[in-house]
Amino acid sequence: AQTVTQSQPEMSVQEAETVTLSCTYDTSENNYYLFWYKQPPSRQMILVIRQEAYKQQNATENRFSVNFQKAAKSFSLKISDSQLGDTAMYFCAFRGTYKYIFGTGTRLKVLA
Amino acid sequence: DTGVSQDPRHKITKRGQNVTFRCDPISEHNRLYWYRQTLGQGPEFLTYFQNEAQLEKSRLLSDRFSAERPKGSFSTLEIQRTEQGDSAMYLCASSLSGRNSNQPQHFGDGTRLSIL
Repeated sequence: AQTVTQSQPEMSVQEAETVTLSCTYDTSENNYYLFWYKQPPSRQMILVIRQEAYKQQNATENRFSVNFQKAAKSFSLKISDSQLGDTAMYFCAFRGTYKYIFGTGTRLKVLA
Repeated sequence: DTGVSQDPRHKITKRGQNVTFRCDPISEHNRLYWYRQTLGQGPEFLTYFQNEAQLEKSRLLSDRFSAERPKGSFSTLEIQRTEQGDSAMYLCASSLSGRNSNQPQHFGDGTRLSIL
């Protein structure tokens, strides 16, 4: 069975600092996709960044980047220059054939 | 792009009643997913459609739950004889298909169900 584990239930970071959220997963598939989604309080879940497992290069989207370690089945999210608007729940998600498996989330609070 | 639309946003009902939720996906998306999310947890997969075909149902989806997508466009999720444990946010998401597609899911705002 595929699983996604986020071991940090809550984290905080000072505005303008850098924070890394961790995610590990388990799968026997070789082709899959990994995603980080952000869910602000009482708001819609939106995509932050995605990574194809067959790509060795780590994905980057502006202040957001990932550290994808396929052999270790690790997929961490780094947020640089944290902003107050980054305060949200962050979910790591795995997609094999079509089904998405989500982690339990990390609640990130950016402090002014 | 009007996004994924869900109706209603909130539903309060008494235990034992039936409820039905609707999801309108992004128009060109042929995949549609239903999830349940409880407070402080990630979305749990319930079921998935490709066009009008329901291709997988989670074991979480008891026989009180049924979902349809009759014309491959909007979908409905019905819960019969609701129980306290059904209280949750029900999320709908849609995406484009393709085995090797990295197209992400787009989520709706969800329907929050409260069972009294």
